[in-house]
Amino acid sequence: DQQVKQNSPSLSVQEGRISILNCDYTNSMFDYFLWYKKYPAEGPTFLISISSIKDKNEDGRFTVFLNKSAKHLSLHIVPSQPGDSAVYFCAASHDYKLSFGAGTTVTVRA
Amino acid sequence: NAGVTQTPKFRVLKTGQSMTLLCAQDMNHEYMYWYRQDPGMGLRLIHYSVGEGTTAKGEVPDGYNVSRLKKQNFLLGLESAAPSQTSVYFCASSRTGVGYNEQFFGPGTRLTVL
Repeated sequence: DQQVKQNSPSLSVQEGRISILNCDYTNSMFDYFLWYKKYPAEGPTFLISISSIKDKNEDGRFTVFLNKSAKHLSLHIVPSQPGDSAVYFCAASHDYKLSFGAGTTVTVRA
Repeated sequence: NAGVTQTPKFRVLKTGQSMTLLCAQDMNHEYMYWYRQDPGMGLRLIHYSVGEGTTAKGEVPDGYNVSRLKKQNFLLGLESAAPSQTSVYFCASSRTGVGYNEQFFGPGTRLTVL
């Protein structure tokens, strides 16, 4: 029973445009939400996080939005760059354990 | 600092064979984790440890055992490998489990069980 879902397996976006990645969750006990980025043959690396008491967190080109009532979060990347081409995992934290979504593969076209 | 390292990077086993995957971290982190990643399923927690000498089951623990004899090392064992254990295994560590919980990941071990 997957508690964190990323329903879009892939996303293709033109360089310079906005990338929007979505994530839904079912467990209302999650207290932090994180996004990880993964390149082929490497481990995931932390990108950005948000506490459940906030609705927005921004870090440079990356912004995460949280809608608790809808149990939905999104990651915005503006502007998208070729180096952003990777797999992005949404993760949710409860009781110091992380639950991950299946990932979204982002391809940034030149 | 090397961060989190995993040994080996690749391994092929025959059904019924055993092996141990080694994870080492040099960040003095208390918490360590083992995940497996399968296509279309994201990362799933196998076992974790909240400190030296402690281990606990995660979401998919069956067929695996772990040990944390030293704070910097976390070992994952397969006693009798099965084809269903073909996967990419990631180790991770974190400073604490309280609140914001950024985990640092190793590069992964790709295991194939024939």
